[in-house]
Amino acid sequence: QKEVEQDPGPLSVPEGAIVSLNCTYSNSAFQYFMWYRQYSRKGPELLMYTYSSGNKEDGRFTAQVDKSSKYISLFIRDSQPSDSATYLCAMTLNDYKLSFGAGTTVTVRA
Amino acid sequence: GAVVSQHPSWVICKSGTSVKIECRSLDFQATTMFWYRQFPKQSLMLMATSNEGSKATYEQGVEKDKFLINHASLTLSTLTVTSAHPEDSSFYICSASFLAGYNEQFFGPGTRLTVL
Repeated sequence: QKEVEQDPGPLSVPEGAIVSLNCTYSNSAFQYFMWYRQYSRKGPELLMYTYSSGNKEDGRFTAQVDKSSKYISLFIRDSQPSDSATYLCAMTLNDYKLSFGAGTTVTVRA
Repeated sequence: GAVVSQHPSWVICKSGTSVKIECRSLDFQATTMFWYRQFPKQSLMLMATSNEGSKATYEQGVEKDKFLINHASLTLSTLTVTSAHPEDSSFYICSASFLAGYNEQFFGPGTRLTVL
């Protein structure tokens, strides 16, 4: 079993739709949770960073963490074609070694 | 702020040659730099962690004699792929963290290595 599970998709939605992404994990010791966006042939870019259960909002993005279920989510509201990318979840213990999900490829259709 | 660059962005080499990839933190001092490898449609796999002035820590299964890492300054780390073979062809990405114990990493744009 992988430490972090993420459905690779692909996921295709019309412009303006809500994009819902999620990851599950097996190590209950993970304390910090991140979502990265990666465009093709580019390095990942940090979108959201959370460390507690609950929701965190930043503009059109909402990150949700449920430590009791070992489940994290990212929601993108009012999706735009420019949101088309691969979204990676990542998590870590108290050190800074990140464990990544496989990434979900999202396409927002104009 | 927190910009990380990599050079080159793309390199093609012949089998058996060595290739050096540079990772630079442009506007901050990186106490720790990380090197990842990413195969097509797969996630990032951590290869090694390096702190300035000390030897890199390699992940299990990564050959330290094949992937030489040097972190000579707080703004520069290099990865040298020695005696490269076609199976080493991959996307290599570095990241940097500017505070010990701080979890946020800033990623470079990646280097695509193709070994013929």
